[in-house]
This record gives sequence, structure tokens and C-alpha cells, in this order.
Amino acid sequence: DIQMTQSPSSVSASVGDRVSITCWASQGITTWLAWYQQKAGKAPKLLIYGASNLQSGVPSRFSGVGSGTYFTLTISSLQPEDVATYYCQQANSIPFTFGPGTKVEIK
Amino acid sequence: EVQLVESGGGLVQPGGSRRLSCAASGFALSNFWMSWVRQAPGKGLEWVANIKQDGSDKYYVDSVKGRFTISRDNAKNSLYLHMNGPRPEDTAVYYCARGSGYYQSFDYWGQGTLVTVSS
Repeated sequence: DIQMTQSPSSVSASVGDRVSITCWASQGITTWLAWYQQKAGKAPKLLIYGASNLQSGVPSRFSGVGSGTYFTLTISSLQPEDVATYYCQQANSIPFTFGPGTKVEIK
Repeated sequence: EVQLVESGGGLVQPGGSRRLSCAASGFALSNFWMSWVRQAPGKGLEWVANIKQDGSDKYYVDSVKGRFTISRDNAKNSLYLHMNGPRPEDTAVYYCARGSGYYQSFDYWGQGTLVTVSS
């Protein structure tokens, strides 16, 4: 199975700050990588697919880069509504696996 | 509007059985791979199983193989997860999710249904 790791496990930043979350795959997954946002008590929401493609309706302050084993999600200007846990997920091979999550809070 | 609505959760005894359902609306279920993803209380997300558009291919995470069965009824626009012999570690919110496009990302999710396995 492909193991996904994320760093940091949590981050606290001010409104307007740039926030970056990193995700590593235990083996190469080309660009079969998605990012999800999950707010407390809610279902996850797709932000990025194919490592760098912004899902329709997602604000442009979210962006993703990477390929192979190393990926990054960036929030260019953190907003209060971005408080959530963010997960990466690989769809390169079964079983699909998620990273452990990164909790983003406002300082 | 695309909607996925899960039902069937509740308290189930270890070794019992339970069927979860996911009712799809706003799109033709027959055009999409579908998955079940679960989240234990306070924990992260875990993909459980998926099923091809026509039901001909099904895949599972190792921890549920031989115990859970994913199925679908495209005529009823419904997805199912049959849980046989659930264990306490299967306690989680179960989400159904639609797989979309070339990258098979989960673009729509239901609100989830909580299954608690306990005696």
C-alpha cells in the first residue's frame, strides 16, 4: 500500500498569511493526488485534483503543485473560513489512501 | 443539484450485520465509479471500497475484505455497503463519494451516517 504523510500536523497563522502544507507519497504516484478540506462536523470537500487542478467553485487562493512523491497545497492568503483540516489522497493504486491531515487554525 | 444521502447507520452488535444505503440524485449513478470512505471518531479518512459503473469490478481495503460487500442498483440510483461481522474498530461515520474524471477524485460526498459497533 502507498503511505501518505503530511507536514505539519497543525498550523496556526494570521488572516492574510500564506500557508503551505506538504504531502509525501511512499512511492511515485505521478499526479494522482487530490486535496480535500474538511470543516468540523462536515463532509470533506474536493479542492484540488490531479495535483494541481482547481476544482470548480474553489477560491483561487488555493493552489497545488507537485508530482512523483512530493506535493504541496498552498493557501495564498488565509481567510477565517479556511479553518479546517486538510487531507491529501492518492488515487494511483488501490487501496486509495489519505494522509493523516493538517489542522489549520487562525492565530 | 448533485446530492448523495446516506442512511442505515446506528448501533450494531459485533458479529451482526448492517446495510448502509446511499441515494444519489441530480446525476446518473450509472456513469460513475462510487466509493465508501469512513472516518472513525476523531480520526482521519479511510477509503473502504469502490465499485465500477456497471458493478463488474469491486475493490476493498484489506481490513474489510471478506466482511463488507459494496453493491449498487443503478435503476434505483442507489449505492450500498453490506457490513457482515462488524467489529468495534469499524465504528465510524461512513460517507459515500462519487469518483470523477480521469483522476478519480471524490468530487461529491454525502453527509455521512454513523455506525457504532458495540454490545
